[in-house]
Amino acid sequence: DAKTTQPNSMESNEEEPVHLPCNHSTISGTDYIHWYRQLPSQGPEYVIHGLTSNVNNRMASLAIAEDRKSSTLILHRATLRDAAVYYCIPLISNFGNEKLTFGTGTRLTIIP
Amino acid sequence: NAGVTQTPKFQVLKTGQSMTLQCAQDMNHNSMYWYRQDPGMGLRLIYYSASEGTTDKGEVPNGYNVSRLNKREFSLRLESAAPSQTSVYFCASTDNEGGNYGYTFGSGTRLTVV
Repeated sequence: DAKTTQPNSMESNEEEPVHLPCNHSTISGTDYIHWYRQLPSQGPEYVIHGLTSNVNNRMASLAIAEDRKSSTLILHRATLRDAAVYYCIPLISNFGNEKLTFGTGTRLTIIP
Repeated sequence: NAGVTQTPKFQVLKTGQSMTLQCAQDMNHNSMYWYRQDPGMGLRLIYYSASEGTTDKGEVPNGYNVSRLNKREFSLRLESAAPSQTSVYFCASTDNEGGNYGYTFGSGTRLTVV
């Protein structure tokens, strides 16, 4: 499995951008980088994923380093609802047998 | 737009009792998964089914069995519950496109074994 490193916790002020870093130095060339978040007492929620190019959707942006050994999830304007644990998961490519392997993630606290 | 539906939402069992956790998805996904999450920890994979008719063990399969009943439904059975199986159980599904597809999770079943 690709080894993943994320900060245990981060804080951000409401209505400001948040940059959540992730290192995945052993990722393979065909492994997609997935991000999920888990709000308190809820199941994980898909945020975004990408392979090489930066990606944008309605929830967030994903910036992937050129060497793919790190990525950054960007929340453009944090709200209180964004307080959650964020998981960065390199999804090991396996011919349709891919499995998400969760680490401990980053606990994001939003300060009003 | 139900997504992934899990039943029941809460359950209390006595040690040694059996039960089946149900999971159904309405997105026509090929792959389905069962995870457990203990307090303060990340999710751990119990079993998964890459396609209808196949099942495989994950990281923590001991004490569990699964059945992929059809493309929509994937059940998890505890034959003889133990206090160590007290946890929150999540079901997930996705299309297996080599990782180029997001996973959808259910809202969980909170199980307590006394």
